[in-house]
Amino acid sequence: DGGITQSPKYLFRKEGQNVTLSCEQNLNHDAMYWYRQDPGQGLRLIYYSQIVNDFQKGDIAEGYSVSREKKESFPLTVTSAQKNPTAFYLCASRPRTGAVGYTFGSGTRLTVV
Amino acid sequence: DQQVKQNSPSLSVQEGRISILNCDYTNSMFDYFLWYKKYPAEGPTFLISISSIKDKNEDGRFTVFLNKSAKHLSLHIVPSQPGDSAVYFCAASATGRSAAGNKLTFGGGTRVLVKP
Repeated sequence: DGGITQSPKYLFRKEGQNVTLSCEQNLNHDAMYWYRQDPGQGLRLIYYSQIVNDFQKGDIAEGYSVSREKKESFPLTVTSAQKNPTAFYLCASRPRTGAVGYTFGSGTRLTVV
Repeated sequence: DQQVKQNSPSLSVQEGRISILNCDYTNSMFDYFLWYKKYPAEGPTFLISISSIKDKNEDGRFTVFLNKSAKHLSLHIVPSQPGDSAVYFCAASATGRSAAGNKLTFGGGTRVLVKP
């Protein structure tokens, strides 16, 4: 079955450590996105990529980094510069043309202690 | 500056009655709107959408209404069922050629509780 896989489901890290969240899709989608969900604030865009080897900052990119070396993969690194990293992170994808809506992964809950 | 707003953070409704969720937007470039449903610790799933060339779209128990002049859309669920209890997000996109990335901008969500 085609879909988006985010791993791990839950992640704990100590303050000051970098951590990388995985996102893999087998939908042959060109565009991929990372969102962050905080209580009462909806989903905020961190980074997005429309094509391999290219990506753009979203609304809250500070303290995060991404790469897009393969079409299927769009990992997100939460760096120690991110001041409030504890959140629920969602990865999504969509084809370049056609559907406007995204397909979402099941999310990763990151807790920094 | 929130471009998409859902002013009601929560809604409680009796099973069998209508649920009405509201969403307002400020960006006049938005021309496509979607509603997503989300359960805790899961990713959102697509529910229904509407293009700005329409003012209504219906799919089973779900109907979305768009009022472009008021920059307002609403989602009606009728009849509401206990399984509808979830958080609902409104999202908007500008799909024109100048729209970089066709990104979705989300509202803050409305938590719906359907009581048996």
